[in-house]
Amino acid sequence: DIQMTQSPSSLSASVGDRVTIGCRASQGISNYLAWYQQKPGRVPKLLIYAASTLQSGVPSRFSGSGSGTDFTLTISSLQPEDVAIYYCQKYNSAPLTFGQGTKVEIK
Amino acid sequence: EVQLVESGGGLVHPGGSLRLSCAASGFTFSSYAMNWVRQAPGKGLEWVSSISASGGSTYYADSVEGRLTISRDKSKNTLYLQLNSLRAEDTAVYYCAKDTGPYGDGPLDYWGQGTLVTVSS
Repeated sequence: DIQMTQSPSSLSASVGDRVTIGCRASQGISNYLAWYQQKPGRVPKLLIYAASTLQSGVPSRFSGSGSGTDFTLTISSLQPEDVAIYYCQKYNSAPLTFGQGTKVEIK
Repeated sequence: EVQLVESGGGLVHPGGSLRLSCAASGFTFSSYAMNWVRQAPGKGLEWVSSISASGGSTYYADSVEGRLTISRDKSKNTLYLQLNSLRAEDTAVYYCAKDTGPYGDGPLDYWGQGTLVTVSS
């Protein structure tokens, strides 16, 4: 099975900073990669799919890139409401594995 | 408005069984694959199972293969997850999530609020 590895596991940044989260697949998955945001005590929310397509309603400061095995989620200007855990997920075929998550905090 | 409402969670002894339900509304239930994703307390997301729109194809994580059964009833717009031979490590919030397509190879665009399953003696 394909494993998904995120880096870093956590990060702390200042409001307005550019934040980058990585996700690596153990085998190529083309662009079948989604990013989810889970705020404390809340349900996961789809942010990006097909590696770089923004889900409707998601602020434009979020962006995704990558293909094959290496992917990136970028927050161009971190806001207080972005405090959350971010997960990548491969969905090309079962099992639809999630990464272990990256916790984003405000410094 | 898409709504997914899970029910059926609770406290169960090790080795016991439970059936979770997810009532769907606000979309054509029979056109989309559906999934169960779980989250143990303080842990990350773990995909558990998915079922195609037709119900003809089902998929399971290795960790639950043989103990969990996913099914759907299009007449009731409801997704189910039968959990058998439960273990302490099955303790988690179980989320029902809608796929964006019919085959189970899409991202999950809507999630329910989750139902808590606690396995303990």
